[in-house]
Amino acid sequence: AQTVTQSQPEMSVQEAETVTLSCTYDTSESDYYLFWYKQPPSRQMILVIRQEAYKQQNATENRFSVNFQKAAKSFSLKISDSQLGDAAMYFCAYRSALPGTYKYIFGTGTRLKVLA
Amino acid sequence: DGGITQSPKYLFRKEGQNVTLSCEQNLNHDAMYWYRQDPGQGLRLIYYSQIVNDFQKGDIAEGYSVSREKKESFPLTVTSAQKNPTAFYLCASSIRRTSGVQETQYFGPGTRLLVL
Repeated sequence: AQTVTQSQPEMSVQEAETVTLSCTYDTSESDYYLFWYKQPPSRQMILVIRQEAYKQQNATENRFSVNFQKAAKSFSLKISDSQLGDAAMYFCAYRSALPGTYKYIFGTGTRLKVLA
Repeated sequence: DGGITQSPKYLFRKEGQNVTLSCEQNLNHDAMYWYRQDPGQGLRLIYYSQIVNDFQKGDIAEGYSVSREKKESFPLTVTSAQKNPTAFYLCASSIRRTSGVQETQYFGPGTRLLVL
């Protein structure tokens, strides 16, 4: 069975600085999707970034980028120029690409604090 | 505007009472999901449905029931058999996998269930 591990329950970053959130996963599959979701105090889950395992290029969305290391089964999220609005829980998620598979597997989350 | 709506935002349950949480989507997504979120924990899958009139148990289905009579709707009933229902409940949906289409799970705003 696949698992997703976020080993940092909480992280802090100074405003305008860069922070990296870690995520590792375990799977025997070769094709899958990986996601980072943000959950601000409103508790609405918001997609931050996604990565297809078959793509070697790391995904980027404005200030958010990932470091996808397939062999190491690592999927870290880098937030550049951190802003106060980035403060939230961040969840890493895995989904198989096998046909008919719809289940997502989430990590336990990392709470990010942004210090002014 | 396309999206996922959940109602009510807050729900109170009395002892021995069944309550139903509503989830509606107008994204034309085939798959829908229910998650439970407890403080300090990640998302745990309760039930998911890939198509109308079909659904599967997730990791913590005991004490819950669902139906999927329409593509747009996936209500969750918290039965009296669920002894610890106080939690935040999130509904999500995703598109059916077709060639070249990237799947992402989108979330509703959530319902907080409290026991009186």
